[in-house]
Amino acid sequence: DAGVIQSPRHEVTEMGQEVTLRCKPISGHNSLFWYRQTMMRGLELLIYFNNNVPIDDSGMPEDRFSAKMPNASFSTLKIQPSEPRDSAVYFCASSLTTRNTGELFFGEGSRLTVL
Amino acid sequence: DQQVKQNSPSLSVQEGRISILNCDYTNSMFDYFLWYKKYPAEGPTFLISISSIKDKNEDGRFTVFLNKSAKHLSLHIVPSQPGDSAVYFCAARGDHTGKLIFGQGTTLQVKP
Repeated sequence: DAGVIQSPRHEVTEMGQEVTLRCKPISGHNSLFWYRQTMMRGLELLIYFNNNVPIDDSGMPEDRFSAKMPNASFSTLKIQPSEPRDSAVYFCASSLTTRNTGELFFGEGSRLTVL
Repeated sequence: DQQVKQNSPSLSVQEGRISILNCDYTNSMFDYFLWYKKYPAEGPTFLISISSIKDKNEDGRFTVFLNKSAKHLSLHIVPSQPGDSAVYFCAARGDHTGKLIFGQGTTLQVKP
């Protein structure tokens, strides 16, 4: 089975530009999560969806960040305009919430560098 | 307001010895605790978990201990191997949605 697929793997952009990160969850999973990894805060939850519906976006840093999940097999995280402090690794993860173990499956991440 | 904390950013141990990674949490409503392992340029991968109704779970060289009264859990790796060198994240689940709250991570280095 294919795991969680993220693109791009690396993105270098200039301050003020729009950035779009993409995620394809594992087929059959009904929950999708966007995390950001920083040195200070570790893996920080930005937003999560259940059955394509955003449940909690309280982790989204600012209005510059937005996320969508138009269908069960695709999600985007958009930053507009981007700033240097947004530089981080962004992970997408999916899960099947009927599983009792709580395990999330992560993609390989998108490393964003904003100059 | 970090609900899950890993206070040791790094740990170095000799091959064959025990590695002990620690994690503290503040929310007594967490019902599941998990450990994830992360290699550079890869996503975190699930390692081992424990339900809040248990105090120990073992899987091969990996054992997780949970002390609910102290709101503390630890991961023991015995014996440690150089391939165990990675970042280890502690995580906790607090509700039915499945979202996990992660700690800051601890970088383990196992020296040959």
